[in-house]
Formats: sequence, structure tokens, C-alpha cells
Amino acid sequence: EAQVTQNPRYLITVTGKKLTVTCSQNMNHEYMSWYRQDPGLGLRQIYYSMNVEVTDKGDVPEGYKVSRKEKRNFPLILESPSPNQTSLYFCASSVSGYNEQFFGPGTRLTVL
Amino acid sequence: KQEVTQIPAALSVPEGENLVLNCSFTDSAIYNLQWFRQDPGKGLTSLLLIQSSQREQTSGRLNASLDKSSGRSTLYIAASQPGDSATYLCAVPPWNQGGKLIFGQGTELSVKP
Repeated sequence: EAQVTQNPRYLITVTGKKLTVTCSQNMNHEYMSWYRQDPGLGLRQIYYSMNVEVTDKGDVPEGYKVSRKEKRNFPLILESPSPNQTSLYFCASSVSGYNEQFFGPGTRLTVL
Repeated sequence: KQEVTQIPAALSVPEGENLVLNCSFTDSAIYNLQWFRQDPGKGLTSLLLIQSSQREQTSGRLNASLDKSSGRSTLYIAASQPGDSATYLCAVPPWNQGGKLIFGQGTELSVKP
């Protein structure tokens, strides 16, 4: 089944403890992206990757890192999480940056 | 800077009604426009994607139209059902910013039996 998977689905952590949210797709898509969704602010793009080893900032990249070492995986790294990073995070993939995007199920992160 | 607006923020209709959801964007230089559905606490499901050269796209009871010159798209849902209750979002990738995707705030639809 073609899909985008994220792990973990739920995470509660404390301020400053480094964490990684994984994202994987099995559709051989070149493009992958991370978003966060907050009440009243909607969905905002954090980082995106047009291909392996090619990443670029979205609208809200501060406090996040990404890497794209292989086509199927695009992990989101929070080196020192803070409470304002408490949010619902989505990973998405697409054939290219201009094609239909397919979303993962989301990761609900709480930073205490 | 591209901005995407969806009005109304919430809509409640009785089952069986035909309805229209609106999406406006400030910069007509778009590559395409995508409509998504999001159920509470869940991920986004792609419904329709309209290329900038198209006027409309249909899938089952859904029909999406695009008018670039006026900066508007509409999503028409025919014969609404309680299962259509969800939040509907539109999103556009700006023409010269490959990889970026800008979302509207969404319209929360409730279809009452």
C-alpha cells in the first residue's frame, strides 16, 4: 500500500531533550516536506526537500533541522525542544514540489 | 507574499444539500491548487488538484473550479452526507517557489442527519 508513515504518533517530552520524528514514504517520491498545524494558525511549512541531499527552509524553520540522505526518509530533528514547539506535525511527499501531495497520519508532540 | 483565505470558517448544513466552499488567493501566479479533507485529529487526504491551465476538476460528488484571474477556487459538494463532515483545506504552490505550499485556514463542515 502506497503510504507516508510517521513515528512516533504521539510524544511527550521535556524542554531541551533532543528528539527525532521519522518520516518514510514507499512511493519513490522525490519531494518531501514537514508541516506543523496549530489552532488559529493553520498549517505552516517547516522544511522541504526536492531530492536527496537537497533541503530548503519553509515558513517556520527556526528550532528544527532536517536531513535527506536517502529518497524514502526525511527525519525532523528538534535539537533542543521548547514548549512553543508543542504542535501536530505532518510529513508529506509528492512526485515533485508541484504535484499532488500525500500526507502522513501526523505526530502529536507535547513539550513540557 | 501569497495569502490563502477560506470563508466561512465553519458551515453547518442539513443532509442532502448541495454546498459550495470558497478559497481565495492573493497572487494569481500559481502552479496549481489542491483541495484536502481533514478529519478531526487525522492527517490530510487529497481530494482534487487543479492545474493552473484547467477550469475545473471532478471526482464523484465533488467538483472544484479555478478562476486564476479573480484569485478564487470553489469546491462544490453535491447531495451532502453526514460522512462529508470534516475540515476542508485548499493550498497553492507559488509559481516561482517550487516546493513551497501555502494553506488556507480551512472550512469546518458539519452535515446534520
